Amino acid sequence: EAQVTQNPRYLITVTGKKLTVTCSQNMNHEYMSWYRQDPGLGLRQIYYSMNVEVTDKGDVPEGYKVSRKEKRNFPLILESPSPNQTSLYFCASSLSRQGSSLHFGNGTRLTVT
Amino acid sequence: AQSVTQPDIHITVSEGASLELRCNYSYGATPYLFWYVQSPGQGLQLLLKYFSGDTLVQGIKGFEAEFKRSQSSFNLRKPSVHWSDAAEYFCAVVPRVDSNYQLIWGAGTKLIIKP
Repeated sequence: EAQVTQNPRYLITVTGKKLTVTCSQNMNHEYMSWYRQDPGLGLRQIYYSMNVEVTDKGDVPEGYKVSRKEKRNFPLILESPSPNQTSLYFCASSLSRQGSSLHFGNGTRLTVT
Repeated sequence: AQSVTQPDIHITVSEGASLELRCNYSYGATPYLFWYVQSPGQGLQLLLKYFSGDTLVQGIKGFEAEFKRSQSSFNLRKPSVHWSDAAEYFCAVVPRVDSNYQLIWGAGTKLIIKP
């Protein structure tokens, strides 16, 4: 089954404790992206990747890191999480650039205390 | 600045009634246009998209959307809603001048279905 898999679904952590949210897609998609969703703000892009070893900042990259060492994986790293990073996070992928629809994971709800 | 506006934060309709969700964008040229749906606890799923051609686009789950260039709008419609349509709906656009495929999202409209 074609899918984007994020783990974990839920995560509660404390300020400053490094964490990684994994994202994997099995569709051989070139494009991958991370979003955060907050009430009233819709989806905001954190980072995206056009292909392996190519990543770029989105609208809200501060406090996040990503890597794209393999085509299928695009982990999101929070080196020193803070409470303002409490949010619902989505990973998404698409076949290529313009015109391709995004496939989303089921989300990771992160709480930083 | 480029933007996508969904003027309704919440909409409540009765089951079986018709639905229209509004979406307006502010760009000079016609962008690529999308509607996504997010069911509770789920990721987003594409309902339909418009690139060119017929301005009335059919999507999944009985939804359709009409592109109106003169109004810079791409409103989503369904003739008769079902309780399972309760979800949040997002309009998104990609400016055609953007070669990096950066989606710009509306803030979403939450659809509530009255029994």
